[in-house]
Amino acid sequence: SQQGEEDPQALSIQEGENATMNCSYKTSINNLQWYRQNSGRGLVHLILIRSNEREKHSGRLRVTLDTSKKSSSLLITASRAADTASYFCAAAQGGSEKLVFGKGTKLTVNP
Amino acid sequence: NAGVMQNPRHLVRRRGQEARLRCSPMKGHSHVYWYRQLPEEGLKFMVYLQKENIIDESGMPKERFSAEFPKEGPSILRIQQVVRGDSAAYFCASSPRDAGNSPLHFGNGTRLTVT
Repeated sequence: SQQGEEDPQALSIQEGENATMNCSYKTSINNLQWYRQNSGRGLVHLILIRSNEREKHSGRLRVTLDTSKKSSSLLITASRAADTASYFCAAAQGGSEKLVFGKGTKLTVNP
Repeated sequence: NAGVMQNPRHLVRRRGQEARLRCSPMKGHSHVYWYRQLPEEGLKFMVYLQKENIIDESGMPKERFSAEFPKEGPSILRIQQVVRGDSAAYFCASSPRDAGNSPLHFGNGTRLTVT
């Protein structure tokens, strides 16, 4: 079963613009994680936000978590062409040890 | 400090043959996860192992698929009598603790093509 579902499925923006991706999940979670995947490569961990946190920053990334709505968002500010990739949210159900991924948002940043 | 190493990167098998996919976790990581990815799709959980133990294999087909993580050596995902539907990218990930509490480190995957 899918724990996270990202929205939109695809997003195309110009360099310098901000990109916002959303993730909804179904059950209670310990934390929620965001990953990035370049074409043909493995996933790279971006950020982990715990269930008792509301917002977290890492460089140009900002992640929010709303446990009452069971949703999270990833904001990439001042996007660059190199940010072009697929972005996935993932979460483990409370007490579970396996991470379940959504289908991802495919981001294209045009130079 | 080498990352997660998977080999081979590409594997071509004819229907009915066996496929063996290897994964060496990062040094110090005792938790290994296998995922499968079809083109333009997300990752589907297959199995979670710790050294010498299968912790959760709920995502793995009951037949033809098996996984191990021996005390010494890499983790192996084995697919017997492959069929065309097994064609996919298979990713391995490792972590020092369970994924519910720590990030996963991924390898670059093995792309299996069944002809």
